[in-house]
Amino acid sequence: DIQMTQSPSTLSASVGDRVTITCRTSQNINDWLAWYQQKPGKAPKLLIYAASRSESGVPSRFSGSGSGTEFTLTISSLQPDDFATYYCHQYNRNFGGGTKVEIK
Amino acid sequence: EVQLVESGGGLVQPGGSLRLSCAASGFRFSGYWMSWVRQAPGKGPEWVANIKEDGSAQNYVDSVRGRFTISRDNAQNSLYLQMNSLRDEDTAVYYCVRNEAWGQGTVVTVSS
Repeated sequence: DIQMTQSPSTLSASVGDRVTITCRTSQNINDWLAWYQQKPGKAPKLLIYAASRSESGVPSRFSGSGSGTEFTLTISSLQPDDFATYYCHQYNRNFGGGTKVEIK
Repeated sequence: EVQLVESGGGLVQPGGSLRLSCAASGFRFSGYWMSWVRQAPGKGPEWVANIKEDGSAQNYVDSVRGRFTISRDNAQNSLYLQMNSLRDEDTAVYYCVRNEAWGQGTVVTVSS
């Protein structure tokens, strides 16, 4: 079974900060990874698919990179609407443990 | 456009059974692994089970193995999840998933 390690679990940041979240897998998953944003009481919202492709309508400040076993979600300039929990997801398999982005 | 539409959720007593269905459209269903993902109240999403394109292989999270069965009918473009011996902790929204595409979910509540 492929293990997903997402870090950090919590991140305190200010509006305008550059934020980076990392997801590492125990085996090579090529680019079969997606990133989601979730707010309380809502379904997960797709941000990035195939590791680096932006979903239509997602602000350009969100970007994804990586392949193989290490992946990164970057928010270039954090906005008030971005305070939420973020998850990485290996296609058709496990999720990372989540990163809660909080206001500093 | 990929569409995944779940149905079959509801309220069931502990120990009971439910069968979830997912109607897929907008893509070649038989060409993809498919999954069920669930999210319990206040928790993160959890992968539950997946099934190979031709149905010849299935995988399950440990907590449901032996109780849940995933299956598919490629002729009907449909995915299923048979859930037996349901427990309180199976209460969640259940989603049909193809890679990064999700349905809207169906709510399963296990309670006496």
